[in-house]
Amino acid sequence: DAKTTQPPSMDCAEGRAANLPCNHSTISGNEYVYWYRQIHSQGPQYIIHGLKNNETNEMASLIITEDRKSSTLILPHATLRDTAVYYCIVRATTSGTYKYIFGTGTRLKVLA
Amino acid sequence: GAGVSQSPSNKVTEKGKDVELRCDPISGHTALYWYRQSLGQGLEFLIYFQGNSAPDKSGLPSDRFSAERTGGSVSTLTIQRTQQEDSAVYLCASSSHSGRARDEQFFGPGTRLTVL
Repeated sequence: DAKTTQPPSMDCAEGRAANLPCNHSTISGNEYVYWYRQIHSQGPQYIIHGLKNNETNEMASLIITEDRKSSTLILPHATLRDTAVYYCIVRATTSGTYKYIFGTGTRLKVLA
Repeated sequence: GAGVSQSPSNKVTEKGKDVELRCDPISGHTALYWYRQSLGQGLEFLIYFQGNSAPDKSGLPSDRFSAERTGGSVSTLTIQRTQQEDSAVYLCASSSHSGRARDEQFFGPGTRLTVL
């Protein structure tokens, strides 16, 4: 199973872009990268996912390197409400079943 | 529509007692996941259901942990002879079809278990 590594914490000024890195050097060709975030005392919330192409939605952008060994989640204009723990996850496939391997997460603090 | 619900929201029990945690997934979601989150830690995968079957039980920490799902809906996580190290928030999530790329998981609010 692929594992992910993330920096434990990051700060970002309000209104600036937050760039959260993730390493997944052992990822397999058919494994997707997902990002979730967890605001204090709540369940995690889906943000975005990708396989090998860059992706963008209303919440964020996901940049995946060509070798797929790492990715970056970009919050283009961080707000105070984006303060949360961000998890980079690889969806592993074993015999046709799926499970999510959560990394340690990055605690993002958006500063006013 | 209603999201994923879990009950109880909080459970305090004595060491050695059995506990049952319940998860009601979003209606129609075929995939259901249980996770455990210890204080200040990330999420630890426990078990995954597709329908009523559990193709992946690899995350269950010991044979004191078991889970079942009936009618392709409600799931119960049972911990027998609880230990203090079982204290954590137990999170349940469901998704509509685990075979699709999107496969967004919707999480419940969790059950906070405290073993004294």
